[in-house]
Amino acid sequence: QQQVKQSPQSLIVQKGGISIINCAYENTAFDYFPWYQQFPGKGPALLIAIRPDVSEKKEGRFTISFNKSAKQFSLHIMDSQPGDSATYFCAARVGADGLTFGKGTHLIIQP
Amino acid sequence: GAVVSQHPSRVICKSGTSVKIECRSLDFQATTMFWYRQFPKKSLMLMATSNEGSKATYEQGVEKDKFLINHASLTLSTLTVTSAHPEDSSFYICSARRYLAGGSDTQYFGPGTRLTVL
Repeated sequence: QQQVKQSPQSLIVQKGGISIINCAYENTAFDYFPWYQQFPGKGPALLIAIRPDVSEKKEGRFTISFNKSAKQFSLHIMDSQPGDSATYFCAARVGADGLTFGKGTHLIIQP
Repeated sequence: GAVVSQHPSRVICKSGTSVKIECRSLDFQATTMFWYRQFPKKSLMLMATSNEGSKATYEQGVEKDKFLINHASLTLSTLTVTSAHPEDSSFYICSARRYLAGGSDTQYFGPGTRLTVL
């Protein structure tokens, strides 16, 4: 059973556009929702994270929107740049547990 | 941000041999580290939770006798793949939990180790 569903699987956005990646979860015990960026052959790097008591969090060009009632959260990348081309993973966890990851979104930013 | 290292970055071994992968938190102490496995173009799957000074906790379906985890210090956890077989070939990634100001915490990932078993 996939506990965190991520979409789309791949995404192509023009330079300067907004990239939007969505995730949905089932386990209402999840209390921490991070997003990671991964380049080929590298480990994931934390981008931004949110807890369910907040509906939105912004850090630079990255924004998480969180809808607790719908059990959904999304990542928005504003003014997308070619250097943002990577695979993005949403994740969730309960308390001090390890992370449950979505399947990933392969993002390509076209110049 | 916090730095987590892994060694080696790549390893090729023969079937039946054992391989040890090290995960170190370089600028903070980590009582808890996690080991993940990632297949090509796939997501990360949690294998086990490594706690300093105690036995690791393995996820369902992960063979604890095959994937030996030792967390002997606050900055080092090791994963040993015993009697490796080609199906064990994968990208192994560790993460370390760091506690932040205010009592929150987050996980920082290492760069990963590419294991190829011939």
